[in-house]
Amino acid sequence: KNEVEQSPQNLTAQEGEFITINCSYSVGISALHWLQQHPGGGIVSLFMLSSGKKKHGRLIATINIQEKHSSLHITASHPRDSAVYICAVIKRGADGLTFGKGTHLIIQP
Amino acid sequence: NAGVTQTPKFQVLKTGQSMTLQCAQDMNHEYMSWYRQDPGMGLRLIHYSVGAGITDQGEVPNGYNVSRSTTEDFPLRLLSAAPSQTSVYFCASSKTGPPYEQYFGPGTRLTVT
Repeated sequence: KNEVEQSPQNLTAQEGEFITINCSYSVGISALHWLQQHPGGGIVSLFMLSSGKKKHGRLIATINIQEKHSSLHITASHPRDSAVYICAVIKRGADGLTFGKGTHLIIQP
Repeated sequence: NAGVTQTPKFQVLKTGQSMTLQCAQDMNHEYMSWYRQDPGMGLRLIHYSVGAGITDQGEVPNGYNVSRSTTEDFPLRLLSAAPSQTSVYFCASSKTGPPYEQYFGPGTRLTVT
C-alpha cells in the first residue's frame, strides 16, 4: 500500500465549482507539500504545511495531523486550474519527499 | 535569476550507453534532488544532496550516480542505460533540507531504446 494516497485520481468539473482534492498518509511526517504540475510538465510548489490551514488566492490547503489527512480546495474554479495536483510528505527523520500519484483535474468552461 | 535549469530537455539513448543529465541552480540552495516520474507511479526520489560534497540515496538509486562538487551543480549520471530508465527526470532545489520549499527544473524526457 502506498504511504501517500490521493483521491480522486481524476476529477472533471464545471467552471465556478468548488473543488476538493484529498490526501491521506500512513506515516509520521514533519511537513506536507501540495504541488501543481501544468499540462506542459512544469511543477510548481503551491503550499508547504505542518499544521492548520494556508490560503493563497483561490487555493486553500488544510491539514489534520491527528487524522493524517490534508485537503486542497479551489474556490471559483477556472479552466486555467486544469492540472495535476500532487501531494507529497516529508517523513519524520527523512530528507526527501514521498509523493502521491496525483489528481488529474479538468475544469470545463 | 534563472532558478533551476536542466539540460537536455529531450534525449534518446541506446541500451548500454551512458550520459549525464545536467542540473544547475543560481539561488545558493544547499539542498538538491533528482526525481523520476513514470506514468501511474508518481514522482520518486533517486538521489539527493544536502550540500556540496554530500550526497545520499533516495528510493530508486540503482543505475544512477551523482556528485556535488559545487553548490550550484548536481549532475545525474546514467552509467549503462536500460529501457527501464525511460522516464521524465526532474531536478529540484531547496534552501535547506529537508525540502520545506522546493523549486523544480523543467524536466528532461529520456527514452532508452
